[in-house]
Amino acid sequence: DAKTTQPTSMDCAEGRAANLPCNHSTISGNEYVYWYRQIHSQGPQYIIHGLKNNETNEMASLIITEDRKSSTLILPHATLRDTAVYYCILAGSNYKLTFGKGTLLTVNP
Amino acid sequence: GAVVSQHPSRVICKSGTSVKIECRSLDFQATTMFWYRQFPKQSLMLMATSNEGSKATYEQGVEKDKFLINHASLTLSTLTVTSAHPEDSSFYICSARSWGVSSYEQYFGPGTRLTVT
Repeated sequence: DAKTTQPTSMDCAEGRAANLPCNHSTISGNEYVYWYRQIHSQGPQYIIHGLKNNETNEMASLIITEDRKSSTLILPHATLRDTAVYYCILAGSNYKLTFGKGTLLTVNP
Repeated sequence: GAVVSQHPSRVICKSGTSVKIECRSLDFQATTMFWYRQFPKQSLMLMATSNEGSKATYEQGVEKDKFLINHASLTLSTLTVTSAHPEDSSFYICSARSWGVSSYEQYFGPGTRLTVT
């Protein structure tokens, strides 16, 4: 069973920031928070990961709460091409990824 | 980022035949490869983990004699679906990771859609 909880779907206006929440209240000390996304009928794409500090890369920012029980993925300026299913996944040292149902983000023009 | 390819992208086969799917890491050496299966409107399910030169480790409920995995080189893993049946029709996706790239990133192939008639 996936150890994360995400909303089933979200909408965002093009050009605005998309904030995708994820709850992972049972996270272990050695588990990282990973975010992937899957555009329809394609393989998942890595977005970002973090342990306890906030992270930023060219695609997104990851905000992890101090108690590590939840996190938020931020796409700063969403485009239509960001429409996809976004998965929040916990993984430890074995790097096995267990995919939950994810959040379907729809970016509207 | 690192590139993973799969071949074929689509395959249709008759019930009872076997199908081989290839997964290649194009610009890095993949010490570990993973195979997933995704049914329509469902999430990815991990089938097995393979390390180069070792036998694959299968997830609970996955038949190792039906889904043969070979990871004979650092750039190639194959999944053979033996005696395929219509219920094996699915989207099969591989991923790869390596110490050569960020050890925390796993790169996915584009997937192979298998249809068994």
